[in-house]
Amino acid sequence: DTAVSQTPKYLVTQMGNDKSIKCEQNLGHDTMYWYKQDSKKFLKIMFSYNNKELIINETVPNRFSPKSPDKAHLNLHINSLELGDSAVYFCASSPGTALSYGYTFGSGTRLTVV
Amino acid sequence: GQNIDQPTEMTATEGAIVQINCTYQTSGFNGLFWYQQHAGEAPTFLSYNVLDGLEEKGRFSSFLSRSKGYSYLLLKELQMKDSASYLCAVKGAAGNKLTFGGGTRVLVKP
Repeated sequence: DTAVSQTPKYLVTQMGNDKSIKCEQNLGHDTMYWYKQDSKKFLKIMFSYNNKELIINETVPNRFSPKSPDKAHLNLHINSLELGDSAVYFCASSPGTALSYGYTFGSGTRLTVV
Repeated sequence: GQNIDQPTEMTATEGAIVQINCTYQTSGFNGLFWYQQHAGEAPTFLSYNVLDGLEEKGRFSSFLSRSKGYSYLLLKELQMKDSASYLCAVKGAAGNKLTFGGGTRVLVKP
């Protein structure tokens, strides 16, 4: 059983399109995250939800909108895609917000905007 | 702000030892994590240090010095499968956010 699963694994789309990436975790964790890994391999946090409540919202363009229908799901919708949005997007989860908790990552969604 | 530095790339021979250093400057400190990431895959958790000293887990050990803002990951008895990127990540004062360094790509040669 996959602990943190993301769909799709690959996404190729044209500039200006709107797309969504879905994430689900079956670990019973309370907290979920979206990270972006660019071509230089830096992992940067975008958003975090704890029990469906937004707790971290980094400086991300308004074109990115997360949605958490329940604590097991955190989706990412991107409007008006730009070339610079091309990256690998990782979903992650942790048991809660306690400081000792590490994250479990999904396998990533490679987004290519052409 | 947060600044986490680690070397970009290291090469070592199968069976040898490699030490990956990480220095950090963060507003507050609530723990340092090491993750392993194989190409095209998800990062996977290796270790967590919050107090000074050495944590050993099999062939991998991680060391922390909070006063120096310094950590290292030690990989012993290197195997070919250890070829991967190793990410240093810090939890600062801002709650549960993990801030990552750029990763160190380790290449193990026969």
